[in-house]
Amino acid sequence: ETGVTQTPRHLVMGMTNKKSLKCEQHLGHNAMYWYKQSAKKPLELMFVYNFKEQTENNSVPSRFSPECPNSSHLFLHLHTLQPEDSALYLCASSQPGQGAGYTFGSGTRLTVV
Amino acid sequence: AQSVTQLDSQVPVFEEAPVELRCNYSSSVSVYLFWYVQYPNQGLQLLLKYLSGSTLVKGINGFEAEFNKSQTSFHLRKPSVHISDTAEYFCAAVRTGGGNKLTFGTGTQLKVEL
Repeated sequence: ETGVTQTPRHLVMGMTNKKSLKCEQHLGHNAMYWYKQSAKKPLELMFVYNFKEQTENNSVPSRFSPECPNSSHLFLHLHTLQPEDSALYLCASSQPGQGAGYTFGSGTRLTVV
Repeated sequence: AQSVTQLDSQVPVFEEAPVELRCNYSSSVSVYLFWYVQYPNQGLQLLLKYLSGSTLVKGINGFEAEFNKSQTSFHLRKPSVHISDTAEYFCAAVRTGGGNKLTFGTGTQLKVEL
């Protein structure tokens, strides 16, 4: 248990489905992140939230929609995904300062069929 | 902007042998440096970090790393590896005073063999 909890751990969805990934932390962190990790590719930063405000969208397609209702929770809403969106989606949190590093969740393994 | 390079995508090593995983960074300003480990089907876990002070940093699981400013490197070492060290290792950097966005390297797969 790392302090950042992601649910579900595994998700299989069709291209026409709508689903949501959830991330929760009770570490008192005020910054939260979504990363995409595909096989044989570097970690891709998707979104950054600082104090509930989105501060970075790394040219992510609109079929991915993040939501941060408070500093402890982060969602990634998914709709009309493509097979190439299959990946491990990692959530992380940190204090806004740079020295703490990130605390990662265990990820959601997403398969789009 | 900073960048992080991990030249070795895979490093095979026998159990109880020493290992070094290389990391070089490129930045015109000061950076903080990190090493993370990822076990299969898990998220990333912080191994160690360099913020300031002593250039030799000790982390969990017997790992250590040395910050070398002149060579812009932050190599990770362990004097004797174990089978359980088999995992992927990521080096990361963030510019001091410039926000909290980490830049990750592409990772090095460490495979420990009997």
